[in-house]
Amino acid sequence: EVQLVESGGGSVQPGGSLRLSCTTSGFPFSSYWMHWVRQVPGKGLVWVSRLNRDGSRTYYADFVKGRFTISRDNTENTLYLQMDSLRAEDTALYYCARDPGAEVGYNDAFDMWGQGTMVTVSS
Amino acid sequence: QSALTQPASVSGSPGQSITISCTGTSSDVGRYNYVSWYQQHPGKAPKLMIYVVSNRPSGVSDRFSGSKFGNTASLTISGLQTEDEADYYCSSYTTSSTVVFGGGTKLTVL
Repeated sequence: EVQLVESGGGSVQPGGSLRLSCTTSGFPFSSYWMHWVRQVPGKGLVWVSRLNRDGSRTYYADFVKGRFTISRDNTENTLYLQMDSLRAEDTALYYCARDPGAEVGYNDAFDMWGQGTMVTVSS
Repeated sequence: QSALTQPASVSGSPGQSITISCTGTSSDVGRYNYVSWYQQHPGKAPKLMIYVVSNRPSGVSDRFSGSKFGNTASLTISGLQTEDEADYYCSSYTTSSTVVFGGGTKLTVL
């Protein structure tokens, strides 16, 4: 069974840091691009970041560029999001999502998602 | 990058068909056939329904179909069922190598 399980969320003060993890199983993790997407409860989906299969290419939404860092450990089948200089507007449910990639006909299409981990930034 | 434009809500009766539009620009929807659609039920993670404009992943009902003309993509659901009631989001790849989502559409099955 394919599983993506996010963890590491919690409450933090503005300016603080958190590291989110997305632990995966049931599929060849290193064969997939991976993404982070966030959602303020009751609001829409917002794309945050993308990472290629070997971790050499990273992409970020402008509003997190320079503050967030996406990475992966293909030996541990885990995706990470290091979140620094957090702001109140970063408060959201953070999802990790799997992307088979353009080579198999998927272009930034997320075919499996985790259940999300909540990040709250507040003083 | 501004969000793609979707209607806030649509509704239909069981058995009817509805269409949800997703309007972008020449930098995203109009430039690439990399449009996806997601269904999200309350408290659940999104589910991929359509990718690359009109392709259905395995297991998704053929009542769901996608199309695109110019800067606007569309999701059509035929033979509406009560379980189709959910939020629907479109997304597109952009010229900035990022992904942009639509604001979401709440589908009510009356």
